[in-house]
Amino acid sequence: EPEVTQTPSHQVTQMGQEVILRCVPISNHLYFYWYRQILGQKVEFLVSFYNNEISEKSEIFDDQFSVERPDGSNFTLKIRSTKLEDSAMYFCASSVDGYTGELFFGEGSRLTVL
Amino acid sequence: TQLLEQSPQFLSIQEGENLTVYCNSSSVFSSLQWYRQEPGEGPVLLVTVVTGGEVKKLKRLTFQFGDARKDSSLHITAAQPGDTGLYLCAGGGYGGSQGNLIFGKGTKLSVKP
Repeated sequence: EPEVTQTPSHQVTQMGQEVILRCVPISNHLYFYWYRQILGQKVEFLVSFYNNEISEKSEIFDDQFSVERPDGSNFTLKIRSTKLEDSAMYFCASSVDGYTGELFFGEGSRLTVL
Repeated sequence: TQLLEQSPQFLSIQEGENLTVYCNSSSVFSSLQWYRQEPGEGPVLLVTVVTGGEVKKLKRLTFQFGDARKDSSLHITAAQPGDTGLYLCAGGGYGGSQGNLIFGKGTKLSVKP
C-alpha cells in the first residue's frame, strides 16, 4: 500500500541550528502538507503546498519556516534558527485533491531542540 | 476561529463494552474526518462524513455527522483491546481549503482485556 515516508525519524539539534525534514508523498497525490504536534497537544496545521507553491499557511508558519519540492518527489520543511519551542513531532501528509480532508500522514519526524 | 472539542478526553473500559465519543463545534464544517493515532505515529484516516445526518459504518465503528454539520460522534460496539488508541476528529479547513485540517485534542481510549 502506498505510504508517505519521512526522514529522519528523530533529529536532535542545538538551539539556533537549521534543520531540514524530508518527506516523500504518495506518488499520485497533488497536495502536500506539514503539520506539527507538540507533546501532549493538538495536531496543528502549518502549511499546504500545491503546484509548486504554498497555497495556505498558518500563523505558526512564519519566516523561520520554508518548504520546497526540489526534485519532484521530495517535499521538505526547513526550520531556520531553531528554538526550544520548535521541539515537536512534524508530520508530512499528502492528498489526491484539496477538496476533502482525506489526508495520508507519514509517521513523523521528532525534532528535539536542546 | 474554528474549534473542535472532543469528549471525553480519556476513556477506560473493559473489553466487550460499548462506547461513544463526541466531537463538537460551534462552526459548520463541510466535512469531518475521524483519524486514529498510535503513540509515535501519524494519524490514520478512518472515515469522512460529508452530509448532515450521514451515518457510516466501519465494522464495529459507527460514525455520525450531525444534521447541522457542527458535530459528529463515533460509537464502538463491543470494544476490543485492539481498539485502544487516540481518536481524533478533524475538519477542514483552515483558510477555506478542506485539506488544511483543524484537529480536536482527541479521545484517548483504553480497552482492557
